[in-house]
Amino acid sequence: QVQLVESGGGLVKPGGSLRLSCAASGFSFSDYYMSWIRQAPGKGMELLSYISSSGSTKYYSDSVEGRFTISRDNAENSLSLEMNSLTAGDTAVYHCARFSGGGSDWYHNPFDIWGQGAVVTVSS
Amino acid sequence: EIVLTQSPDFHSVTPKDKVTITCRASQYIGDDLHWYQQKPEQPPKLLIKFASQSFSGVPSRFSGSRSGADFTLTINNLEAEDAATYYCHQSRSLPLTFGGGTKVEIK
Repeated sequence: QVQLVESGGGLVKPGGSLRLSCAASGFSFSDYYMSWIRQAPGKGMELLSYISSSGSTKYYSDSVEGRFTISRDNAENSLSLEMNSLTAGDTAVYHCARFSGGGSDWYHNPFDIWGQGAVVTVSS
Repeated sequence: EIVLTQSPDFHSVTPKDKVTITCRASQYIGDDLHWYQQKPEQPPKLLIKFASQSFSGVPSRFSGSRSGADFTLTINNLEAEDAATYYCHQSRSLPLTFGGGTKVEIK
């Protein structure tokens, strides 16, 4: 069964750090670009970051550039997001998601598999 | 940044109705527009890719189309299980963006 399962969410104080993990199963993880997408309460969805299949290419949105770091371990079929300098504005449900296909620019593809999401709450 | 404007924000409909949701892109995106369904406490599910291609396993009552910069998700013969929020997403250029969502409620 193709599946993504996030872990590591929780309550953190402003300025704090948190590391999210995403365990992949049921597919050849090392063949796919992966991403982190968040949904903040009452707001829309936002692509935060993505990483190429080898890990050599990374993208960050302006809102997290310099604060968040994406990484992957293809041997362990896992994706991570290290989040630093968190603010209340980072409170959201964080999903890992798989880009569906290849091509010259993977980000042109939709997200075909999503994790259930990890809840991150930033509050004092 | 490409802005996607969905309309309406909310639809209250009856089973067997036909539902139409529109997503307008602020810039040219070709067919790089995808539709997702999200039910409460669940992650989004891909319904339609590249404007009009049905994703594997999606019921045939869901379809997508494009007319210029306007994209439409149509649900024919609505079923109670279709109550959800629907989002469009453009993958033409970075940053990838999503529409604000359309909530479909069953009367």
